[in-house]
Amino acid sequence: QKEVEQDPGPLSVPEGAIVSLNCTYSNSAFQYFMWYRQYSRKGPELLMYTYSSGNKEDGRFTAQVDKSSKYISLFIRDSQPSDSATYLCAMSELGNEKLTFGTGTRLTIIP
Amino acid sequence: ETGVTQSPTHLIKTRGQQVTLRCSSQSGHNTVSWYQQALGQGPQFIFQYYREEENGRGNFPPRFSGLQFPNYSSELNVNALELDDSALYLCASSQGIFTYGYTFGSGTRLTVV
Repeated sequence: QKEVEQDPGPLSVPEGAIVSLNCTYSNSAFQYFMWYRQYSRKGPELLMYTYSSGNKEDGRFTAQVDKSSKYISLFIRDSQPSDSATYLCAMSELGNEKLTFGTGTRLTIIP
Repeated sequence: ETGVTQSPTHLIKTRGQQVTLRCSSQSGHNTVSWYQQALGQGPQFIFQYYREEENGRGNFPPRFSGLQFPNYSSELNVNALELDDSALYLCASSQGIFTYGYTFGSGTRLTVV
């Protein structure tokens, strides 16, 4: 079993819809949770970063962490075609330099 | 402020050969991490360099090695290339070891034939 599980998709939604992306994990030592966006032929770009449980909002993006369920989510409101990319969740233990990534979900926003 | 630059962008090597990939970190960043991203997979941690010393290593064999230079640029060397080494190799820089504000480069696409 992988430490981090993420549905690879692909996921296609119409422009303006709310998108929900999710990851589950098995390592209870994970304390830092991140979402990266990766466009084709580019490196990952940090979108959201959360420490421990709770919600964090930044513009159209909301990240949620539920440590009791070992489940994290990223919501994108008012989705735009420019949001079409692969979204990667990533996690890390306290004091550990290594990021553990999910496989990524490929998202397409249809105009 | 420049970002992370990697070179070359693409290369093709033959099984058994050796390859060196290069990374220039973002200005002000003293830590470099390398990741391997196979097609359709998430990046996997190879190792991290901080102030020219290896600071941590993932589950990769010793034929994967690296260097960090005084200007904080870095190299990833892979010896005895195998077909499974074909992947996108990503370099990420940060200010400090345990910060999570990594800036990734666009990667080097390595194909081993």
